[in-house]
Amino acid sequence: DQQVKQNSPSLSVQEGRISILNCDYTNSMFDYFLWYKKYPAEGPTFLISISSIKDKNEDGRFTVFLNKSAKHLSLHIVPSQPGDSAVYFCAASGGASTGTASKLTFGTGTRLQVTL
Amino acid sequence: KAGVTQTPRYLIKTRGQQVTLSCSPISGHRSVSWYQQTPGQGLQFLFEYFSETQRNKGNFPGRFSGRQFSNSRSEMNVSTLELGDSALYLCASSFRDRDYNEQFFGPGTRLTVL
Repeated sequence: DQQVKQNSPSLSVQEGRISILNCDYTNSMFDYFLWYKKYPAEGPTFLISISSIKDKNEDGRFTVFLNKSAKHLSLHIVPSQPGDSAVYFCAASGGASTGTASKLTFGTGTRLQVTL
Repeated sequence: KAGVTQTPRYLIKTRGQQVTLSCSPISGHRSVSWYQQTPGQGLQFLFEYFSETQRNKGNFPGRFSGRQFSNSRSEMNVSTLELGDSALYLCASSFRDRDYNEQFFGPGTRLTVL
């Protein structure tokens, strides 16, 4: 049972354009959502996060949107740069009150290729 | 501030052997979680340790175990290795006692079972 899904295995975007990566989840107990960027043979690098009480969080070129009713979140990268080429994972966890804040459930990843 | 460190970075073992992997968290982080990444199953949660106690556990067999020391460093052990245990093993650390809890990952240990 895949509780966090990234339905697009890959995405190609031109440099300077917007990249939009999508993620859906099924578990309504998830309280916190994170995006990670990963290069092969390296650990994931934290990018940005959002709690379930917000619908948007922005950090520089990265913005995450959360639609709780649709159980959907997206990561927008504007403008996209060649160095953004990597695999992006969305992840979700429960809140601290549930004791599961450190148990991340990951999606399957989307490989982003930013072309010149 | 030093990041999460994992040793060794690469390991080759044969079926039936056991292996121990080590993780040192970011200074001040008391929670350490372990994940397995394989091409088929993606990134999967193994277990979390906090204050030397296992707090959460994923769906892995009992061959996978861990422990945490008083300085928050953690070790993960896999006994009776199987070919399917070949994977990138990642360790992540965090504060845990906060509502919104970013986890920071180490570079991983690449385990190959022959």
